[in-house]
Amino acid sequence: DAGITQSPRHKVTETGTPVTLRCHQTENHRYMYWYRQDPGHGLRLIHYSYGVKDTDKGEVSDGYSVSRSKTEDFLLTLESATSSQTSVYFCAISDPRVENSGNTIYFGEGSWLTVV
Amino acid sequence: QKEVEQDPGPLSVPEGAIVSLNCTYSNSAFQYFMWYRQYSRKGPELLMYTYSSGNKEDGRFTAQVDKSSKYISLFIRDSQPSDSATYLCAMSGGSYIPTFGRGTSLIVHP
Repeated sequence: DAGITQSPRHKVTETGTPVTLRCHQTENHRYMYWYRQDPGHGLRLIHYSYGVKDTDKGEVSDGYSVSRSKTEDFLLTLESATSSQTSVYFCAISDPRVENSGNTIYFGEGSWLTVV
Repeated sequence: QKEVEQDPGPLSVPEGAIVSLNCTYSNSAFQYFMWYRQYSRKGPELLMYTYSSGNKEDGRFTAQVDKSSKYISLFIRDSQPSDSATYLCAMSGGSYIPTFGRGTSLIVHP
């Protein structure tokens, strides 16, 4: 299993509160990603990082921000949570420098977030 | 039209059947093709990846890519109830951002 740890794994929060999800990797992979997965939509990319302090937006970035101050940690913040952000969030990692890796990415176990 | 199309199913088969899961895509720049398996309330797990066209086999699983038809397949031989899961295809080209299909739900009943 890829060394990816997400925390918290489950969280219930109230509308309007800030929430931060953490992803920690032990693989020293260059790329890190945050996805959300919802019925009928599949996996959708929120933000990704291609190095320390280097991040970019995905297809559903509105309402989310990210930070990467260390190679191993990638934080996803919901500045003011809304009910539409109730979802399961997956962190993923990849590194094209790894021999024969292709463009494969590896996922964490997910963080279930409920906004009430 | 999405870049990657995948029938959501569910696909229900008896134990021991050969399963065929498929995706079509529209972006001719895709070169890397991946299959993931996702059990309920778990993260997607990489099953196989292939580069460009051709076949790749790993145990009971065979991945097939036909770039001329923009069509990829995953075959599962001698399917088992433990294969019941959602299978996602993914593909990418020059960037390191894969595009995922929405997944096909597979049910293998004893």
